[in-house]
Amino acid sequence: AQSVTQLDSQVPVFEEAPVELRCNYSSSVSVYLFWYVQYPNQGLQLLLKYLSGSTLVKGINGFEAEFNKSQTSFHLRKPSVHISDTAEYFCAALPPGGFKTIFGAGTRLFVKA
Amino acid sequence: GAVVSQHPSWVICKSGTSVKIECRSLDFQATTMFWYRQFPKQSLMLMATSNEGSKATYEQGVEKDKFLINHASLTLSTLTVTSAHPEDSSFYICSARDPASGSTPFEQYFGPGTRLTVT
Repeated sequence: AQSVTQLDSQVPVFEEAPVELRCNYSSSVSVYLFWYVQYPNQGLQLLLKYLSGSTLVKGINGFEAEFNKSQTSFHLRKPSVHISDTAEYFCAALPPGGFKTIFGAGTRLFVKA
Repeated sequence: GAVVSQHPSWVICKSGTSVKIECRSLDFQATTMFWYRQFPKQSLMLMATSNEGSKATYEQGVEKDKFLINHASLTLSTLTVTSAHPEDSSFYICSARDPASGSTPFEQYFGPGTRLTVT
C-alpha cells in the first residue's frame, strides 16, 4: 500500500531563516507528488507539484521542492521564511491513473519573530 | 484558478438533528467530488468519492447511512450528517477535480471547509 510520511509534526523556525519540511513516500510505482498549505480554518491550497521531468520544482510563495527517486523523498524548502508562512503543510501522493490522493499527517510550521 | 465553495462555513447543531453541507464548483464542472474529514491537528481522511448521477463510493469504515452524499449536478455535491452526535464534530472539506484543466492529473481544488459542532 502506498503511504506518505511527514517526519516532523512541528517545525519552529525564526523569521528569515531557511526551512525544510521533510516528506517520504512509499510506492512500488511512480507517483505524482504535491505539497499543500492549509491556513487555520481554511481548505488546502496547492503550493507545488511534481509530475515528471526536472526534479526541482518551484512553487508559489517562494517554496520549492526536490524529488529524489532513490531516497523516495520530496522535501519542501524555503530559503527565508516569513511570519505569514505559519501554517500546516501537507505532502501528498497520487499514482498515475489513480483517483485518490494520499495525504501525509501534516507538518505545522511555526515562524517566530 | 478554479474555485470550490462550501456552505455553511460553520454550523452548530443539537445532537440528534441532521445537517447538510453543500460543496459547489463555481466555474467548472466536476463529475467527481471528494469529501474529507479532518480532526484537530490531523491529516485529511477521505470519507467518500461523490460521482455525479450515481451512488457515492464510501471508504472503509465510513457509515453510508450516517453520511449521506448526493451529487445532484455537475457543480453541486451535498453531504448530510444524519442524527448527528458530538463525535461527528469535525472539519469537513470537499474537493473537486477539473477535467477541463488541461493537465494530467486533473487539478484538484479544495473548498474552504465546514466546521461542524454538535452539542
